[in-house]
Amino acid sequence: GESVGLHLPTLSVQEGDNSIINCAYSNSASDYFIWYKQESGKGPQFIIDIRSNMDKRQGQRVTVLLNKTVKHLSLQIAATQPGDSAVYFCAERRIFGAGTRLAVHP
Amino acid sequence: DAGVIQSPRHEVTEMGQEVTLRCKPISGHDYLFWYRQTMMRGLELLIYFNNNVPIDDSGMPEDRFSAKMPNASFSTLKIQPSEPRDSAVYFCASSPAIGVSEAFFGQGTRLTVV
Repeated sequence: GESVGLHLPTLSVQEGDNSIINCAYSNSASDYFIWYKQESGKGPQFIIDIRSNMDKRQGQRVTVLLNKTVKHLSLQIAATQPGDSAVYFCAERRIFGAGTRLAVHP
Repeated sequence: DAGVIQSPRHEVTEMGQEVTLRCKPISGHDYLFWYRQTMMRGLELLIYFNNNVPIDDSGMPEDRFSAKMPNASFSTLKIQPSEPRDSAVYFCASSPAIGVSEAFFGQGTRLTVV
């Protein structure tokens, strides 16, 4: 759902660790979710998507989990790398959440 | 394809002036979106078009904002008159479909109104 981004939550991880970024949504009828990555000075870029008829979807080093019961979405990044440092957004179709900043430390 | 192309990349203008932001979507994409990004409000959807027709403009903040899509390869977002609170990064995005496909974003236009 929609959010107001007064304070962007930050997740700090060590290089090589796994990262989990969470997102909650409000509309139980939502049927399509997308995770985007936004690097500094660039537009959001597609990472992975999932439809409501699925609970899990895997990509390269990324997994998205969908829990429709509690209206929660998570993005898991395996073996996090410095290049993963960015702001991550979940979106329900065309509406973006507030975002989470991921900081990867060597 | 070169992706979604926005111009200018940066715009600095004085309060009260008219500002026009431009967007060329990816060829073949039927949907075009305009977003505004600020620290305070995050990424807000302003308006989107389907086949050049505005479908939902409920996110347009005021009458000072207007958007057009005269053809499938071009869209403009105009602010007249501009105000300092309009300062933000404006993104254009396009998509081949809605609800089943992601949006492809341009690099954005950073607008500063002084």
